[in-house]
Amino acid sequence: DAGVTQSPTHLIKTRGQHVTLRCSPISGHKSVSWYQQVLGQGPQFIFQYYEKEERGRGNFPDRFSARQFPNYSSELNVNALLLGDSALYLCASSLEGQGRSHPNYEQYFGPGTRLTVT
Amino acid sequence: RKEVEQDPGPFNVPEGATVAFNCTYSNSASQSFFWYRQDCRKEPKLLMSVYSSGNEDGRFTAQLNRASQYISLLIRDSKLSDSATYLCVVNTNAGKSTFGDGTTLTVKP
Repeated sequence: DAGVTQSPTHLIKTRGQHVTLRCSPISGHKSVSWYQQVLGQGPQFIFQYYEKEERGRGNFPDRFSARQFPNYSSELNVNALLLGDSALYLCASSLEGQGRSHPNYEQYFGPGTRLTVT
Repeated sequence: RKEVEQDPGPFNVPEGATVAFNCTYSNSASQSFFWYRQDCRKEPKLLMSVYSSGNEDGRFTAQLNRASQYISLLIRDSKLSDSATYLCVVNTNAGKSTFGDGTTLTVKP
């Protein structure tokens, strides 16, 4: 079975531009989460989506938005790019979403999209 | 103070050694806990979930101490291939996952 896939693998953008990153979860997984990872730090949680609804949001500005489609794939959008947005963007999928009725879930990561903002 | 804290290391150990990592968390409402390993410039890979009763998978043992709000990972008989960064993850039931910044392990021949 295919794992989590992300596209593109690398991207170079200029300050002020907009970017869309894409993620396809493992077949049968209904939840997708997005993370930002900069060198020397752990992944920082951006969003979690489950069954097309936002289930969790991290401390990121409104320039960051996401959505999940009926086939459970997801897009992360970042507007008005800043130099500080340069990072590895990771997508993770899980069978279920994190919530009161699902206290445990295991996330599987895609290879990431490396975004460079110049 | 960070929500999830790990000793960054690095831990440099010889092959065959036993090494332990701790991870502390501040949110007492945290519900589930995991360890991941991440190789240089690769994505994190799930190593193991951490259950309240503790759990073992081969050379790896994970423990949870809710009273003191920490989780631990013990690696026995270290192999060269265990060299990586080990990340702990703490989830709340509000849909949020928090990663530590990782502990770097280097196993030397």
